[in-house]
Amino acid sequence: TQLLEQSPQFLSIQEGENLTVYCNSSSVFSSLQWYRQEPGEGPVLLVTVVTGGEVKKLKRLTFQFGDARKDSSLHITAAQPGDTGLYLCAGAGNSGYALNFGKGTSLLVTP
Amino acid sequence: DTAVSQTPKYLVTQMGNDKSIKCEQNLGHDTMYWYKQDSKKFLKIMFSYNNKELIINETVPNRFSPKSPDKAHLNLHINSLELGDSAVYFCASSRASSYNSPLHFGNGTRLTVT
Repeated sequence: TQLLEQSPQFLSIQEGENLTVYCNSSSVFSSLQWYRQEPGEGPVLLVTVVTGGEVKKLKRLTFQFGDARKDSSLHITAAQPGDTGLYLCAGAGNSGYALNFGKGTSLLVTP
Repeated sequence: DTAVSQTPKYLVTQMGNDKSIKCEQNLGHDTMYWYKQDSKKFLKIMFSYNNKELIINETVPNRFSPKSPDKAHLNLHINSLELGDSAVYFCASSRASSYNSPLHFGNGTRLTVT
């Protein structure tokens, strides 16, 4: 199984602050996906990164795929309480048919 | 117009019982999955079906048996429930079985075994 390590595990910040969460692996991935999960709901896809070095922006969220396609980061600018949730990165497993998920970063943004 | 729906939302039962969780998707996707999320929020793949055919069966006890009557449905039956089966079970679907296809998740079934 290709392991994905996410850090930090927990993050509590105030509204307006910036933050970065990381997703690292010793394996190379063809693509990585980022999801956000809110309490009582299933994960929802935010973005897919495919090309090494790729940067994608989704409003205040910036996603980067490492040049070697082994790691990815998510940067949030001026965090808002609505950003609170569990952020999960996921990459294709060895079988190629299902995603393996990292253990997630739980983010709390307080007003 | 829920895309992936699973029932029930909550399931509380005693050890040794048999229970089922149902999942339906109306997205026209070919591939469906069951994931288990433990108390530490770790999501782990259990099964994957593509057009009603099993394509992934991770190391899951054979007390767990998925059934796909058609490509829009993937149900999960669990025999002889154990305390360690307590978790949130998520059904998901994707357009294709390739790793680039995004997953659409249901809202989960919280199973509590007492």
